[in-house]
Amino acid sequence: DQQVKQNSPSLSVQEGRISILNCDYTNSMFDYFLWYKKYPAEGPTFLISISSIKDKNEDGRFTVFLNKSAKHLSLHIVPSQPGDSAVYFCAASAGSGYALNFGKGTSLLVTP
Amino acid sequence: DAGVIQSPRHEVTEMGQEVTLRCKPISGHDYLFWYRQTMMRGLELLIYFNNNVPIDDSGMPEDRFSAKMPNASFSTLKIQPSEPRDSAVYFCATLGDLRIGELFFGEGSRLTVL
Repeated sequence: DQQVKQNSPSLSVQEGRISILNCDYTNSMFDYFLWYKKYPAEGPTFLISISSIKDKNEDGRFTVFLNKSAKHLSLHIVPSQPGDSAVYFCAASAGSGYALNFGKGTSLLVTP
Repeated sequence: DAGVIQSPRHEVTEMGQEVTLRCKPISGHDYLFWYRQTMMRGLELLIYFNNNVPIDDSGMPEDRFSAKMPNASFSTLKIQPSEPRDSAVYFCATLGDLRIGELFFGEGSRLTVL
């Protein structure tokens, strides 16, 4: 049973515009959320995270928003760049030291 | 640090053969995870270890799968016998910072079972 869901398998955005990637979760015990980025033939790499005590975390062009009541989070990339083209995985955990549950990923294509 | 090192990067084998995937974690990381990536299911957790002890293996699909961590610097994931549906990319990852849960992944082992 998928506890972390990314319902959009793919997204295409023009360079310079905003990319918004969405993620929903079902387990109310999740209290830590992360986004990972994956290029072909490489392992996923950590991008940004947010604790459940916050509703927003920003790091440069990347911002993650958390809506606990809706069990929804989103990753905003502004402005989008061609190098951002990758698969983005949403992940959640129920506490430190616990295994991460991943979504299926969203493939982002940023076109020039 | 060299990061998480996995071998082999690619493995092609025939159904029924034994497959062994290897992982060398980042030194000092106490948690080690094995994930499998497929198009249908995304990234699935198979098993994870803490201080070389298996903590949760509920994600291991069948008895054909087994994993060991004989010491802090080495882990194996074995499939015996392998089947075509085992074809996937298998990732090993280690946990660096307990406070933020950031996993460091290896580059993966792409397994094709014919």
